[in-house]
Amino acid sequence: SQTIHQWPATLVQPVGSPLSLECTVEGTSNPNLYWYRQAAGRGLQLLFYSVGIGQISSEVPQNLSASRPQDRQFILSSKKLLLSDSGFYLCAWSLELGGFNTEAFFGQGTRLTVV
Amino acid sequence: AQRVTQPEKLLSVFKGAPVELKCNYSYSGSPELFWYVQYSRQRLQLLLRHISRESIKGFTADLNKGETSFHLKKPFAQEEDSAMYYCALRFYNQGGKLIFGQGTELSVKP
Repeated sequence: SQTIHQWPATLVQPVGSPLSLECTVEGTSNPNLYWYRQAAGRGLQLLFYSVGIGQISSEVPQNLSASRPQDRQFILSSKKLLLSDSGFYLCAWSLELGGFNTEAFFGQGTRLTVV
Repeated sequence: AQRVTQPEKLLSVFKGAPVELKCNYSYSGSPELFWYVQYSRQRLQLLLRHISRESIKGFTADLNKGETSFHLKKPFAQEEDSAMYYCALRFYNQGGKLIFGQGTELSVKP
């Protein structure tokens, strides 16, 4: 069966420090991958999505970047964190099968607090 | 612009009362809509999708293209329905990406 892992679960980082959040999917191949941020009062905001290795689409201009070095690995990064980067980050995956997309499956999330 | 709107941040009802969580969307193409739910300390998970036309945990949602709505309904709320509910719209040809509404917190009181 397919599973998705995100780590770390919680993270406290000082302003100006770098960030690397990792997400991996097991049990499937060539998934579509997504990074979302869940901020209080703002719902779920799509940050990046990827349809394949090295293919990243950015949804909103921001202080973050994403990379997909392997088929089932999706990384969210920042060179210098801002206070406004605090939030709950969710990774998700789905499959495209013959023009039909499966539902999106979400990870447990990472709670990032920038201090 | 494509967007999903959930006008209520919080909806509080008593057990056994009917529930309707509102969702409106704006999309230029043929929409595919979903309801996701997040129970306390659990992952966000799919509740239902409009193309399935099914009832899950007593919840139903009908796509109304005329009113561009996809409201979630349940005739008799239960305490275990208390959770955060998100309406989502899928884009075609963009990696199947989903955009979500702001979410509605449903609180069912005994």
